[in-house]
Amino acid sequence: DGGITQSPKYLFRKEGQNVTLSCEQNLNHDAMYWYRQDPGQGLRLIYYSQIVNDFQKGDIAEGYSVSREKKESFPLTVTSAQKNPTAFYLCASRETGLGYQPQHFGDGTRLSIL
Amino acid sequence: GQQLNQSPQSMFIQEGEDVSMNCTSSSIFNTWLWYKQDPGEGPVLLIALYKAGELTSNGRLTAQFGITRKDSFLNISASIPSDVGIYFCAGQLGETSGSRLTFGEGTQLTVNP
Repeated sequence: DGGITQSPKYLFRKEGQNVTLSCEQNLNHDAMYWYRQDPGQGLRLIYYSQIVNDFQKGDIAEGYSVSREKKESFPLTVTSAQKNPTAFYLCASRETGLGYQPQHFGDGTRLSIL
Repeated sequence: GQQLNQSPQSMFIQEGEDVSMNCTSSSIFNTWLWYKQDPGEGPVLLIALYKAGELTSNGRLTAQFGITRKDSFLNISASIPSDVGIYFCAGQLGETSGSRLTFGEGTQLTVNP
């Protein structure tokens, strides 16, 4: 099946620990995005990547890092510098180049502090 | 930056009733999107609107792109229990992948059978 796969579904972080969330897509999309969702709030953009080996900060990039070494993969690392990491993290991708194409989302990773 | 005000924040309705929710923006968008999110899952695209004044339907869903480009509404007719979830509006100014989506805070819909 074509789609966006996020793993793991649930993740727990200890104080001072870095954790990495996986996002893989087999849709051949160039652009990929990471969002953070807190209860009762909309989605906030953390990082996005328009092409392999390139990425830009979103609105809340502090305490996070990303890489884009392969077109299909856009992992997000939540570093120990992120003091309030408990949230639902969503990855999205979209096709580019043929007019506007909407973003499509994975099923998310819920990160909690131990 | 751009902000979206989505209302209402929550709705409690009886099965069979019609539902209306809307989003307004302090600045214009060139694209409006409506997503639905079920608990513990990612948002799923319902309707995409690309032109001011456009009215688009998807089954029992109807959405409109406001003529001022600063607002959009979503209607659900004859609601059913599986309509339960959070509905988000999102606006985008440009067409490039670097043009960001701005999301509303969501409308939580509860449908009582």
